[in-house]
Amino acid sequence: DIQMTQSPSTLSASVGDRVTITCRASQSISSWLAWYQQKPGKAPKLLIYKASSLDSGVPSRFSGSGSGTEFTLTISSLQPDDFATYYCQQYNSYSTFGQGTKVDIK
Amino acid sequence: QVQLQESGPGLVKPSETLSLTCSVSGYSISNGYYWDWIRQPPGKGLEWIGNIWHSGSTYYNPSLKSRVTISVDTSKNQFSLKLRSVTAADTAVYYCARGGEGASSALVDYWGQGTLVTVSS
Repeated sequence: DIQMTQSPSTLSASVGDRVTITCRASQSISSWLAWYQQKPGKAPKLLIYKASSLDSGVPSRFSGSGSGTEFTLTISSLQPDDFATYYCQQYNSYSTFGQGTKVDIK
Repeated sequence: QVQLQESGPGLVKPSETLSLTCSVSGYSISNGYYWDWIRQPPGKGLEWIGNIWHSGSTYYNPSLKSRVTISVDTSKNQFSLKLRSVTAADTAVYYCARGGEGASSALVDYWGQGTLVTVSS
């Protein structure tokens, strides 16, 4: 099984901050990685697929990079609507999610 | 707009079978895409359960494979989940979702609202 490890688990930040979340795969997954945003009581929302492709309607302040085993999600300027939990997901072999990164208000 | 809605019992007894159905509107399952089940225990992260193609071809999470069956009914535009021999560890919000195609079968772009299933006697 492919394990996905996100860091940090929690991130405290302020509006306007640049935020970076890292996701590491236990083996190479090429670029078969997605990022989702989840707010309390809601289903996750797809932000990025194939490591760096922005889903339709997602603000350009979100970006993804990486390949192989190391990936990052960057929010260039954190907005009030961005306080949420973020998950990475590999879909190279079946599927596995990271444990999540909660972005809260500093 | 693709919409998905989970339905089924909110309470299941230990050792019994959890059964959920997902009704899809705004898109015909027969037209393509994989159709996925994902769960989330209260306060915890997401776990992919498995998915199905309209032809009935399935992929399952290896850790759950022995207990899971996913089926599809294209005439009703629905797909279903059965999880056998449940324990308290299976208590979770269960989401149905639309996956991708081909190598991206588990890439989800549309989600249901989720339904909480509690395993308790």
